[in-house]
Amino acid sequence: SQKIEQNSEALNIQEGKTATLTCNYTNYSPAYLQWYRQDPGRGPVFLLLIRENEKEKRKERLKVTFDTTLKQSLFHITASQPADSATYLCALEDNAGNMLTFGGGTRLMVKP
Amino acid sequence: NAGVTQTPKFQVLKTGQSMTLQCAQDMNHEYMSWYRQDPGMGLRLIHYSVGAGITDQGEVPNGYNVSRSTTEDFPLRLLSAAPSQTSVYFCASSEQGFGYTFGSGTRLTVV
Repeated sequence: SQKIEQNSEALNIQEGKTATLTCNYTNYSPAYLQWYRQDPGRGPVFLLLIRENEKEKRKERLKVTFDTTLKQSLFHITASQPADSATYLCALEDNAGNMLTFGGGTRLMVKP
Repeated sequence: NAGVTQTPKFQVLKTGQSMTLQCAQDMNHEYMSWYRQDPGMGLRLIHYSVGAGITDQGEVPNGYNVSRSTTEDFPLRLLSAAPSQTSVYFCASSEQGFGYTFGSGTRLTVV
């Protein structure tokens, strides 16, 4: 069955360091991979989308890589700040563009 | 722009009652979807629509109905509420190849 795995354990890092979150998937051929941020009590907020033929995408302090051979995406936040503390969700969209399936999310805690 | 608007924000139902969760978007997106989010289960797709008049089932459709008579609106109906439907419900809209815009959610408790 299709599965999207994110580290369920919280990631604790020091302010100013680079946070790296991992998303692995199996039995899936996604057309797009997306990353979202979710704060407690709020809906997910879209951050970045990367297409299957792209290796890397950047937006300000954010960087996403996509390796379709390893079936893995890495999400990096450079120069992390306490305000970056949130849960980050990985999601895959199929080729038909009809369904966006989410991983369980990883909670990031940035300590001052 | 309001984006995606969900109502109500909170609701308590008794087992067996029915209700409709409202979702409206003002971005002229063709694609709309409903998710539920439960602790330890992540976001799971209930139903989705790729345009007015077209709906399809997601991962967990049982107990829910949807319709899409206009591009803007995508209501979710609970036919006979059960405690297992206690959850936070999110509506989202998008265009293919772009990120999804989510509403602020409806927190539903079925007693």
